[in-house]
Amino acid sequence: AQSVSQHNHHVILSEAASLELGCNYSYGGTVNLFWYVQYPGQHLQLLLKYFSGDPLVKGIKGFEAEFIKSKFSFNLRKPSVQWSDTAEYFCAVIYNQGGKLIFGQGTELSVKP
Amino acid sequence: ETGVTQSPTHLIKTRGQQVTLRCSSQSGHNTVSWYQQALGQGPQFIFQYYREEENGRGNFPPRFSGLQFPNYSSELNVNALELDDSALYLCASSFEPGGEQYFGPGTRLTVT
Repeated sequence: AQSVSQHNHHVILSEAASLELGCNYSYGGTVNLFWYVQYPGQHLQLLLKYFSGDPLVKGIKGFEAEFIKSKFSFNLRKPSVQWSDTAEYFCAVIYNQGGKLIFGQGTELSVKP
Repeated sequence: ETGVTQSPTHLIKTRGQQVTLRCSSQSGHNTVSWYQQALGQGPQFIFQYYREEENGRGNFPPRFSGLQFPNYSSELNVNALELDDSALYLCASSFEPGGEQYFGPGTRLTVT
């Protein structure tokens, strides 16, 4: 079955620490990959996306993600987090150019000032 | 450019009642998707509308139905509400069915 798995439910970091959030998806054909962020009290916002081409994609606010096809992974990274990065992060996949976004269960990131 | 808007913001209904949620898509977008997000979980796909036709459906019963209008706005209707329908309902629009989706703020539905 097509599915997305996020490795960590809750991550706690201090400011300036590096961040890596794991995301794996099951095999199911061609994929479009996304990371969304939900800040407290706000709606889901697109952080970055991968459709094709360079597997290292850069998004807003200094985030980047790497698509590793052989590992079915699309991990999110940021070299130095800020308190304002405190939010919930969702990895999501569209399979075979369909319209259905399949989300992971989310990772709550708490950044301590 | 106006983003995705949803109404109402909050809604409280009684079990067995019916509810209609509304969504206005972002300018230029012809595709609308609806999701249900329970507390502590990722959004679950309900269905998608593309140019006024249903273009895919998730694992939701037929009492969840929808419409898309010529201006690409959309409605989600839920009949015979159950307690488990309590959730945040999200609408997202995109340029095309497989494209990046932009989300509205959601409607918080509480069923008592």
